[in-house]
Amino acid sequence: QKEVEQNSGPLSVPEGAIASLNCTYSDRGSQSFFWYRQYSGKSPELIMSIYSNGDKEDGRFTAQLNKASQYVSLLIRDSQPSDSATYLCAVTDSSNYQLIWGAGTKLIIKP
Amino acid sequence: NAGVTQTPKFQVLKTGQSMTLQCAQDMNHNSMYWYRQDPGMGLRLIYYSASEGTTDKGEVPNGYNVSRLNKREFSLRLESAAPSQTSVYFCASEAGDSNQPQHFGDGTRLSIL
Repeated sequence: QKEVEQNSGPLSVPEGAIASLNCTYSDRGSQSFFWYRQYSGKSPELIMSIYSNGDKEDGRFTAQLNKASQYVSLLIRDSQPSDSATYLCAVTDSSNYQLIWGAGTKLIIKP
Repeated sequence: NAGVTQTPKFQVLKTGQSMTLQCAQDMNHNSMYWYRQDPGMGLRLIYYSASEGTTDKGEVPNGYNVSRLNKREFSLRLESAAPSQTSVYFCASEAGDSNQPQHFGDGTRLSIL
């Protein structure tokens, strides 16, 4: 069965530091990779998408993809308390293009 | 700019009752999805509709039925609710291109007693 694995956390990071979230996936043919943020009691919200190897930056967020290692990460610079949430990694299933979801990493930013 | 709208937001049912969760999107998306999310777990796909007129089973379809009423609307029905179906249900839509992200509704919190 195809899987996406994330450390469940919680990951505790001081305010202003860099938060690093990691995700590994089993489907070597996956082509699209997404990071979603989910606040407690709310729905998932897309924050980053990445499709090719390397880094993609958007404001304080950087997504990193390494297809050879089947690894995708999300860096959050200058972490703010408002970044405290669960971060979900999602990867497309190469056989049917559905998303395979990780269980999420809970991030806590300490003031 | 509504995006994906789900109704109701909260519902309490008794075991054996039936109900339909409604979902509508105004983004002209081809694909629509129903997920459930349980504490400590990721999103699990119940059913999806790749385009108007088609529906397919996901990872956890047992106990559910769906209807793609038109391009905008995709409903989820519980025919005989069971306590194991207590969960948060999310509807999502996507343009239909595998490179596009899914957009989510606010969710329905369903409790079955």
